[in-house]
Amino acid sequence: NAGVTQTPKFRVLKTGQSMTLLCAQDMNHEYMYWYRQDPGMGLRLIHYSVGEGTTAKGEVPDGYNVSRLKKQNFLLGLESAAPSQTSVYFCASSLFNYGYTFGSGTRLTVV
Amino acid sequence: SQKIEQNSEALNIQEGKTATLTCNYTNYSPAYLQWYRQDPGRGPVFLLLIRENEKEKRKERLKVTFDTTLKQSLFHITASQPADSATYLCALGPENNAGNMLTFGGGTRLMVKP
Repeated sequence: NAGVTQTPKFRVLKTGQSMTLLCAQDMNHEYMYWYRQDPGMGLRLIHYSVGEGTTAKGEVPDGYNVSRLKKQNFLLGLESAAPSQTSVYFCASSLFNYGYTFGSGTRLTVV
Repeated sequence: SQKIEQNSEALNIQEGKTATLTCNYTNYSPAYLQWYRQDPGRGPVFLLLIRENEKEKRKERLKVTFDTTLKQSLFHITASQPADSATYLCALGPENNAGNMLTFGGGTRLMVKP
């Protein structure tokens, strides 16, 4: 049972470039989330999904887009990367009112 | 706006002692509260969930209390071991049980010395 798998694990982007972070879960969870973690800021919710085909904005959605075309996948896109988006990105999934299962994270640096 | 406070200073304790971590919150009435463990370079790992109508929850050497009047949760690790050294995060569930989106505190780093 793989749980939540994130790819890539590391990435360096130049300002203005775009990329997509992939998240896949094999637990049949309805809920999926994208968080970013920065020193001194804790984990902050970017976007989330309560089911296939649905997405919603979290606390810090600007500069990001998401898609959930299949229940098991949740994609996070950066259209035009900025240095302020340098962070560690975590994907998570859960059942309703249960604890989250997190992926191992993607460390993104924008130069 | 809602605010979650965890002690940002590291907690250093001796092996075998009980570690107690605090999570305080303001301007919020969460339906439940969760605790996670995070090791360096890894994603958080879920430990315990306690609901607003529960006072205490236990799991092996872990105990969580939830006081909705004080707006505080305490997380205890009894008979602590060096392997318990990690950062512990508290997270608040939404008000009125609306969805499952969590708001996380900044975490407290625990160091257990042999």
